[in-house]
Amino acid sequence: DIQMTQSPSSLSASVGDRVTITCRASQSISNYLNWYQQKPGKAPKLLIYTASSLQSGVPSRFSGSGSGTDFTLTISSLQSEDFATYYCQQSYSTSLTFGQGTRLEIK
Amino acid sequence: QVTLRESGPALVKPTQTLTLTCTFSGFSLSTSGMCVSWIRQPPGKALEWLARIDWDDDKYYSTSLKTRLTISKDTSKNQVVLRMTNMDPVDTATYYCARTLSGSGINIDYWGQGTLVTVSS
Repeated sequence: DIQMTQSPSSLSASVGDRVTITCRASQSISNYLNWYQQKPGKAPKLLIYTASSLQSGVPSRFSGSGSGTDFTLTISSLQSEDFATYYCQQSYSTSLTFGQGTRLEIK
Repeated sequence: QVTLRESGPALVKPTQTLTLTCTFSGFSLSTSGMCVSWIRQPPGKALEWLARIDWDDDKYYSTSLKTRLTISKDTSKNQVVLRMTNMDPVDTATYYCARTLSGSGINIDYWGQGTLVTVSS
């Protein structure tokens, strides 16, 4: 299976900060990388698909980039509603795999 | 409006078989590119993808769990069923079903609310 490794595992930031989360694949996955946001007790929500495409309805402060093995999710100006856990997921292989998650907390 | 809802037992005993049903609306599993996935999440832990069934009845399973999983669909009832055999306490998790799009990658765009399954004697 393709392993997905996110860094950092947790992150403290303030409202208005610019935040970047990294995801690294154990092999090249082209641009088959999605990002999800999950709030406590809720199902995940798709934010970004194919590395850089913004899902409908997702604020433009979210952006994604990367290809091959290294990817980033950037939040340009943190809002209070953005404090959550973020997961990357590859779909290059038919056996989908997620990263271990990055917990974004209020500083 | 796309909705999905998981149903099944909240408690199963070790060695038993878990059967979960996903009932959905707002899309058809006979439409090209439409799929349904099952994903689980142990308490406080990360998401784990389990299985996927496609509009053309192709099926895909987690490498580590494929010997225990069976996924099937009833297009006329808008339902997808997941069976997991030989349940163990480590399988305690919230189980989600989700609409999955196959096209430019595999994107999981709508999720059910999840159902917590506890494995205990």
